Amino acid sequence: DSGVTQTPKHLITATGQRVTLRCSPRSGDLSVYWYQQSLDQGLQFLIQYYNGEERAKGNILERFSAQQFPDLHSELNLSSLELGDSALYFCASSGGTAPYEQYFGPGTRLTVT
Amino acid sequence: GEDVEQSLFLSVREGDSSVINCTYTDSSSTYLYWYKQEPGAGLQLLTYIFSNMDMKQDQRLTVLLNKKDKHLSLRIADTQTGDSAIYFCASTAVNQAGTALIFGKGTTLSVSS
Repeated sequence: DSGVTQTPKHLITATGQRVTLRCSPRSGDLSVYWYQQSLDQGLQFLIQYYNGEERAKGNILERFSAQQFPDLHSELNLSSLELGDSALYFCASSGGTAPYEQYFGPGTRLTVT
Repeated sequence: GEDVEQSLFLSVREGDSSVINCTYTDSSSTYLYWYKQEPGAGLQLLTYIFSNMDMKQDQRLTVLLNKKDKHLSLRIADTQTGDSAIYFCASTAVNQAGTALIFGKGTTLSVSS
């Protein structure tokens, strides 16, 4: 158990809908990262937050957004969903005395039908 | 941008050593990582190495880094069936801690008894 939690574990929704994925980082970690894992693109970095502020952006679509709250949990919002958004979405966290160690949550599997 | 490449498959017999190879393009990558992903699970941080090191050993795992050739390898001694998984090589996107990871496509290790 990495200490990073993600909910829900599975999500099935229709095209055009909007969903919210939630992540709680390990205790004491200030950084949260979101990654997308798909068969064709592999593991891709989406966005990073550090202590509530956006720190870095990767290949995140404009239809996607995220935020980190004062209690450090983070949410990834995906809107106007398309079939191609079906993927595993991972959250990772790092910080404390070992900022270079990123620990991953179990992921949320999103299926868009 | 940064790119990380790995061979896709490796098949070994139980008790043999496994060597998984990875090449990266950005010579300024400070930290290089190996993650393990079992079916239906998240990514487990196995080990990492700083770019100023050549080798790191951790129980059955040995990481070798050749900075000149930008080549990283993970050796698993006495490979067990429980080691069957996908192994991802990753590097930091920029030359500092606490930043996003760039992943290879993963090497599927199959261990037969």
